Amino acid sequence: QVQLVQSGAEVKKPGASVKVSCKASGYTFSNFYIHWVRQAPGQGLEWMGIINPSGDRTRYAQKLQGRFTMTWDTSTSTVDMELSSLISEDTAVYYCARDYGSVTYYMDVWGKGTTVTVSS
Amino acid sequence: QSALTQPASVSGSPGQSITISCTGTSNDVGGYHYVSWYQQHPGKAPKLMIFDVNNRPSGVSNRFSGSKSGNTASLTISGLQAEDEADYYCGSYTRSNTLVFGGGTKLTVL
Repeated sequence: QVQLVQSGAEVKKPGASVKVSCKASGYTFSNFYIHWVRQAPGQGLEWMGIINPSGDRTRYAQKLQGRFTMTWDTSTSTVDMELSSLISEDTAVYYCARDYGSVTYYMDVWGKGTTVTVSS
Repeated sequence: QSALTQPASVSGSPGQSITISCTGTSNDVGGYHYVSWYQQHPGKAPKLMIFDVNNRPSGVSNRFSGSKSGNTASLTISGLQAEDEADYYCGSYTRSNTLVFGGGTKLTVL
């Protein structure tokens, strides 16, 4: 079935970087954009960015510009996100999600989420 | 980009209808037909319920409907059921080619 499988939970110290992977299966990976969305504990959803299937076009939320990077690996059907210079406010569940169509900015398939904890 | 404005909570009894509002600006909700709604149960990933203001993905109950007037979009759930109790988030495409979510609304089925 169509699914996105994310890497496991991470605990990082302030100032460090974290990388989260999102592996797609059950559909043609190269046909759909991928979004990243995060949710801090007890808080709402925050859109982080979107990457195109060849990985050469990205759009980032202004708040994260300069700290957030997405990469696309067609050979492994995997999209990675990396967040650097971590602060406590980056503690959240990070989701990858498939765009519903051809850059619709709707998300129809979601990973289960990866918990990232930033703590000294 | 500021989050869209939603009420923190709404409630209703089984069988009733409720409406959740989502207010933005002409740079997002008011400027485009690209409004979506997501349902999120505790500990679970969000689920797409409405896209393009008033369209339902395959498999979503027709008890869920959407609308928009000016800078405010709305989600209506009719015939409330216990399983509808969840958090609901609106989302909108923006002039900056990004996506912005609302702060979320907790729906309680009494």
